[in-house]
Order: sequence, then structure tokens, then C-alpha cells
Amino acid sequence: DAGVTQSPTHLIKTRGQQVTLRCSPKSGHDTVSWYQQALGQGPQFIFQYYEEEERQRGNFPDRFSGHQFPNYSSELNVNALLLGDSALYLCASSLIGLSYNEQFFGPGTRLTVL
Amino acid sequence: DAKTTQPTSMDCAEGRAANLPCNHSTISGNEYVYWYRQIHSQGPQYIIHGLKNNETNEMASLIITEDRKSSTLILPHATLRDTAVYYCIVRGPNTGNQFYFGTGTSLTVIP
Repeated sequence: DAGVTQSPTHLIKTRGQQVTLRCSPKSGHDTVSWYQQALGQGPQFIFQYYEEEERQRGNFPDRFSGHQFPNYSSELNVNALLLGDSALYLCASSLIGLSYNEQFFGPGTRLTVL
Repeated sequence: DAKTTQPTSMDCAEGRAANLPCNHSTISGNEYVYWYRQIHSQGPQYIIHGLKNNETNEMASLIITEDRKSSTLILPHATLRDTAVYYCIVRGPNTGNQFYFGTGTSLTVIP
């Protein structure tokens, strides 16, 4: 049973560029959430996708967008990169509907913006 | 945002029980307490969760006070591999069912 996978593992971009990160959820899961984790901080919720739509969003600008595909995999896009976007980006999957369901996290993508 | 308060750091001797406290004084009746841990630069790992009863699994025990305003995660026999940042999270309909992480407790298990 495959867990949550993310690609790429590491990425280096320059300011102003755009980046796309990818996530495949755990088998059987239909919901994907994205988090940003700056160095020394806890993960911060970006948004959640279910049924190919953004269902909830945290306090992040419109430069952060996403997509969910029919196979439940997801992409996180960040436009006009800033130095402050350097972080570990985490994807988590779960089953919608049950408030007590745990989220399973992937290993993350380390983004460095120069 | 985060509705929990945890100590910044703790030490524990290897083989002893690690007791990690968490305050969540504003928790609502329909909100669960979750614990995750994160080993350096890896994704957070689910440990345990509970509503009001004490819970135990193969990793840990969760003790929730009767008034639900605080809880304690217990790792019964800490090993060096338990060194990690431990996050206590309150989650439920009032939080949009999302996980709001604070800064957690950095647990160091000492040989």
C-alpha cells in the first residue's frame, strides 16, 4: 500500500519564477491538503482539494494555486516566487467526511528560492 | 490558528517514559486532540488522537483530562529514535477540520 508521495524532493528556483510541486495521495484517499513549513516553524495550511475543487484555504496569497486530478493526485503552483517562499512543502492525504480521520503526510519538497 | 500550548523543549532519558503536556483550554466539545511528530526534515507522522477518553496504541498513550482542557502524550519507553518535534493539535468543525500546527515540543532522548 503506497503512502503519500511527492516530487521533486528538492528544487531551486530564482525570484520571480514559477514552480509546480506534485503529490500522489495514499491509496484509497480522496482529499489532498498542502502545507508550507518554514525553517523552525510548524506546518502552515495552504489549501485543501476534494473532488477536483479547492474546498478550504488558509491565509496564503493568490500566487499559490492548485489542482486536483481525477485520480486524486494534486499539484501546487506558486507564481512570482519570493525569497520568503523558501520552505518545505508538505502534502497530506485523507478521506473526506469524517472529522476524526487522520491525515497522512508525504516526505515533502524542499524549495529554495534564490 | 493553533489552539494549543506546548513547552518548547524537553529531555528524556532513554528507556524512561516521556510525558509531553499540552494545554487546549478553549477546546470545544466536538473537537479532537491529535498528536503528530516530525523527525528532522521529514513529513509529520500521525501518533494518536482522542476525543475525551484515554487512548492507547502501539506507539503511545493519550491521557485527556476530564475537563478536556489539557492532555498528555506518553511514550512509555523512549528510544533515541523518538527524538523529534511533537505537535499537539485540536481539530474539529470549528477549525474547518484542518490541522493547525503550532511550534510543538522538541523532545530529545538522551542515551
